[in-house]
Amino acid sequence: QKEVEQNSGPLSVPEGAIASLNCTYSDRGSQSFFWYRQYSGKSPELIMFIYSNGDKEDGRFTAQLNKASQYVSLLIRDSQPSDSATYLCAVKNDYKLSFGAGTTVTVRA
Amino acid sequence: EADIYQTPRYLVIGTGKKITLECSQTMGHDKMYWYQQDPGMELHLIHYSYGVNSTEKGDLSSESTVSRIRTEHFPLTLESARPSHTSQYLCASRQGNQPQHFGDGTRLSIL
Repeated sequence: QKEVEQNSGPLSVPEGAIASLNCTYSDRGSQSFFWYRQYSGKSPELIMFIYSNGDKEDGRFTAQLNKASQYVSLLIRDSQPSDSATYLCAVKNDYKLSFGAGTTVTVRA
Repeated sequence: EADIYQTPRYLVIGTGKKITLECSQTMGHDKMYWYQQDPGMELHLIHYSYGVNSTEKGDLSSESTVSRIRTEHFPLTLESARPSHTSQYLCASRQGNQPQHFGDGTRLSIL
């Protein structure tokens, strides 16, 4: 079992819609959770992090954490073509982050 | 926001050459990481460091080596490059429980 699992996609959403991305993790003791966005050919860029159960909102992005169910999700509201990228879920274990394989999102105009 | 610098950005070099990929950060972060990523594929951790004089191998076996003599500097070396080493190499750093930030990466192509 992988430490961090994500649906690989691609997830195609129309412009203006909500994109919903999910991530599950195996280590129940994990405390810190991150979402990165990676454009093709570029390095990952941090967009959200969450440490506590519940929701955290930043602009059009909302991260949701449920430690009991061991899942983290990312909602992108009012999706724009510029949101088309691969989104990586990462979970902190000891001194390093474990990354999922990423979900590719395509926002169609 | 961390300032992490990787050089070179692109490198095309012949088989058998010794290569050093540079990574420096100016934030005094204690933890630094090297990842390898092929196009469209997932990130693989190849080396990491908790601090000066500490280095560990990552999840993916790699023929590269690293050193951490200074806090700000974490170079990665390939003693004898092979075509199988062609990939993108990403350096990252963080401090404590703060988020991890990545450099712009080095695209390595071995002929």
